[in-house]
Amino acid sequence: GQNIDQPTEMTATEGAIVQINCTYQTSGFNGLFWYQQHAGEAPTFLSYNVLDGLEEKGRFSSFLSRSKGYSYLLLKELQMKDSASYLCAVDDRGSTLGRLYFGRGTQLTVWP
Amino acid sequence: NAGVTQTPKFRVLKTGQSMTLLCAQDMNHEYMYWYRQDPGMGLRLIHYSVGEGTTAKGEVPDGYNVSRLKKQNFLLGLESAAPSQTSVYFCASSRGGSYNEQFFGPGTRLTVL
Repeated sequence: GQNIDQPTEMTATEGAIVQINCTYQTSGFNGLFWYQQHAGEAPTFLSYNVLDGLEEKGRFSSFLSRSKGYSYLLLKELQMKDSASYLCAVDDRGSTLGRLYFGRGTQLTVWP
Repeated sequence: NAGVTQTPKFRVLKTGQSMTLLCAQDMNHEYMYWYRQDPGMGLRLIHYSVGEGTTAKGEVPDGYNVSRLKKQNFLLGLESAAPSQTSVYFCASSRGGSYNEQFFGPGTRLTVL
């Protein structure tokens, strides 16, 4: 793969803030996606970053630093329904056109 | 719009049997993908297609074949199923071009005994 690295598990309490990090290596970076996947369901799109900086979408924000090969997903005001796996995926045009490279996912558990 | 659909949702096979998984999308997407997902392994790409009539290998293609005869359909075949192919299979599609957001089907849970 493209050495996409993210923590395996994280836990947090309801109402708190959690940051899920993702590091990557690419030869032709063309964007980074975050997906959410609840147990037994398909991944669903959360956010996309192609330029450096922060993208905010309600309780969720995603940050990108291309020079550092680093992104994070920030979840605020956590709710029980946020318990899910969060997948980081990179579009690397320097490698193979047309595919995303997925990390193994971070399993987030939100406690009451 | 149904988005991406997969048939069947569940299947149990015996070792050595064959089967075909069907993926269909109604978004006129150019690119389509087949992934398998196993506990702790994340999504692994089996095969993909960047257009009708084209296919390419992903990272775990052995034991699988694919065909994309029509733009809206992408078939995944298992010629001789093995217990190691027990997994959840996801199909996805994307429009291609500079923005490659992938839309996923609901998955097929396959057990090979």
